[in-house]
Amino acid sequence: DQQVKQNSPSLSVQEGRISILNCDYTNSMFDYFLWYKKYPAEGPTFLISISSIKDKNEDGRFTVFLNKSAKHLSLHIVPSQPGDSAVYFCAAGDYTDKLIFGTGTRLQVFP
Amino acid sequence: EAGVTQFPSHSVIEKGQTVTLRCDPISGHDNLYWYRRVMGKEIKFLLHFVKESKQDESGMPNNRFLAERTGGTYSTLKVQPAELEDSGVYFCASSREYDLGLSIGAGNTIYFGEGSWLTVV
Repeated sequence: DQQVKQNSPSLSVQEGRISILNCDYTNSMFDYFLWYKKYPAEGPTFLISISSIKDKNEDGRFTVFLNKSAKHLSLHIVPSQPGDSAVYFCAAGDYTDKLIFGTGTRLQVFP
Repeated sequence: EAGVTQFPSHSVIEKGQTVTLRCDPISGHDNLYWYRRVMGKEIKFLLHFVKESKQDESGMPNNRFLAERTGGTYSTLKVQPAELEDSGVYFCASSREYDLGLSIGAGNTIYFGEGSWLTVV
């Protein structure tokens, strides 16, 4: 049973537009969420996080929104840049700090 | 500040052989984790050290896998004997504080290394 789901395996966005990556979870005990960006043959790079007591966290071009009642979070990238092209992983954790990852969404930003 | 470093970056071994992967966490990080991704699937937790103690090893697949963190600094993950299904990428990660739910707002997070790519033939 997959506790963290990223239902869109890929997303294509034009440069300068907004990219919205979605993530759903089933376990209400998760108390924080992380987004990682991954280039081919590299490790996941931490992007942004949000605590379950918040509904929004912003860092530059990146904003994460959390809707606890819907068990849904999203990552917004505005404006999207070609360098943002990568695989984005959503991950969730509880007090054990054992992260549960989604399967990832491949973002392609084209000129 | 150096990030999480892993060695070797790539390893090709024959079925039945032994491989040892090494991880050096970020300096000062008491928490060290091993994850792996096989066959392009999701990244899965293997185990978690707090200093030299195994906090959680519920993700270790079987007794062919042995992780150690002597002295609470670097860690090794040994696979012996390796099987074909062990092929994949093994990620090490570290964090400064335990129970990120309490400190995530203060900037604490889990940082990953570049991974050790293992191919068993």
